[in-house]
Amino acid sequence: DVKVTQSSRYLVKRTGEKVFLECVQDMDHENMFWYRQDPGLGLRLIYFSYDVKMKEKGDIPEGYSVSREKKERFSLILESASTNQTSMYLCASSQAVLAGGWEFFGPGTRLTVL
Amino acid sequence: RKEVEQDPGPFNVPEGATVAFNCTYSNSASQSFFWYRQDCRKEPKLLMSVYSSGNEDGRFTAQLNRASQYISLLIRDSKLSDSATYLCVVNNRGSGSYDKVIFGPGTSLSVIP
Repeated sequence: DVKVTQSSRYLVKRTGEKVFLECVQDMDHENMFWYRQDPGLGLRLIYFSYDVKMKEKGDIPEGYSVSREKKERFSLILESASTNQTSMYLCASSQAVLAGGWEFFGPGTRLTVL
Repeated sequence: RKEVEQDPGPFNVPEGATVAFNCTYSNSASQSFFWYRQDCRKEPKLLMSVYSSGNEDGRFTAQLNRASQYISLLIRDSKLSDSATYLCVVNNRGSGSYDKVIFGPGTSLSVIP
């Protein structure tokens, strides 16, 4: 079974703090993604990566950065957390979609910024 | 126009009913299509891929109409456990050499006893 794990299920941080969200997958997938999901807005792509040390901006990258030093690990960084970054954060991984791959999601991290 | 659109619902149906969800996409070059299911406060999980010839998995049938850029999901004999949000997903070839995955906003289904 593919497993995508995220470092925390629930996180509470204060405005201005630096926040790290970690994601690890165990299926040697090339692609990894970070989304946030908010009521009424659905899943929105923050950043994605198709290879080690490679990153691409998604639809809402502002206020976030990412790091992919190893194939299995993709980190999302909030440099200075703000209250509007309170959300559910979902990590996903997949094989190349043109090879028929689909995304496997981690359980999510519910982040609250006070 | 949004790249992937779905009727948000909610769809409230009695047990045993047949329910159909529709999804439209804007990019005629889209290459692969999926339906995901998301339970309340859980992550999305793949329900089924959607093929041009249509495909069936038990009570679930998915159809793709490329000419109309339309995807559907039919659930027969609804069960209480089918209550969830159903997400339509489209994969496009993005700029550069990678693929772009687009999620629809989801359609909420509640199956009522």
